[in-house]
Amino acid sequence: EDKVVQSPLSLVVHEGDTVTLNCSYEVTNFRSLLWYKQEKKAPTFLFMLTSSGIEKKSGRLSSILDKKELFSILNITATQTGDSAIYLCAVWHGGSQGNLIFGKGTKLSVKP
Amino acid sequence: EAQVTQNPRYLITVTGKKLTVTCSQNMNHEYMSWYRQDPGLGLRQIYYSMNVEVTDKGDVPEGYKVSRKEKRNFPLILESPSPNQTSLYFCASSLSATGAYYEQFFGPGTRLTVL
Repeated sequence: EDKVVQSPLSLVVHEGDTVTLNCSYEVTNFRSLLWYKQEKKAPTFLFMLTSSGIEKKSGRLSSILDKKELFSILNITATQTGDSAIYLCAVWHGGSQGNLIFGKGTKLSVKP
Repeated sequence: EAQVTQNPRYLITVTGKKLTVTCSQNMNHEYMSWYRQDPGLGLRQIYYSMNVEVTDKGDVPEGYKVSRKEKRNFPLILESPSPNQTSLYFCASSLSATGAYYEQFFGPGTRLTVL
């Protein structure tokens, strides 16, 4: 069965801390991996990763994919209260009719 | 503005009363999908559509119907809603699924309560 597993499910840190969120996957015919941030509304896109070892970076957020070990990490440095959200990992997989499967998310709370 | 719209945004209904949640995108996207989000269960796919007149079941299709008669619209139909369909629903679209290298754009969500 195809699955995407995120860990931890929840995390509480203080402003200024660095956090690492994990996403592992077992899917048929992997295509790409996506990270989303969800506050009290719809998920918003952060990164798409398709190749191993190439870091994607946006400000204090960065992400990398390991296709051999089947996982990705999302790093957030110097966290701020505005980083508090649910972070979702999703994987495009399948044959000619690809599909997207989501993990359950990691709820990050950043305290002042 | 490029966007995915859903209506209604909030709905309270009673068991058995048929309802439709509309979804529309203005980006000429081929792929559209419906998800429900429940605490502790994450986003689960209900139905998806690769293109006009092409739909397929996701992980939790029971109790739902969809149609894709036009490229821009993908309504979600609950023929006989039940309380276990109380949830937050998201419609999403992406340019194409065949390459699977495209982000999905999400609508604002519809919070449905079935009494």
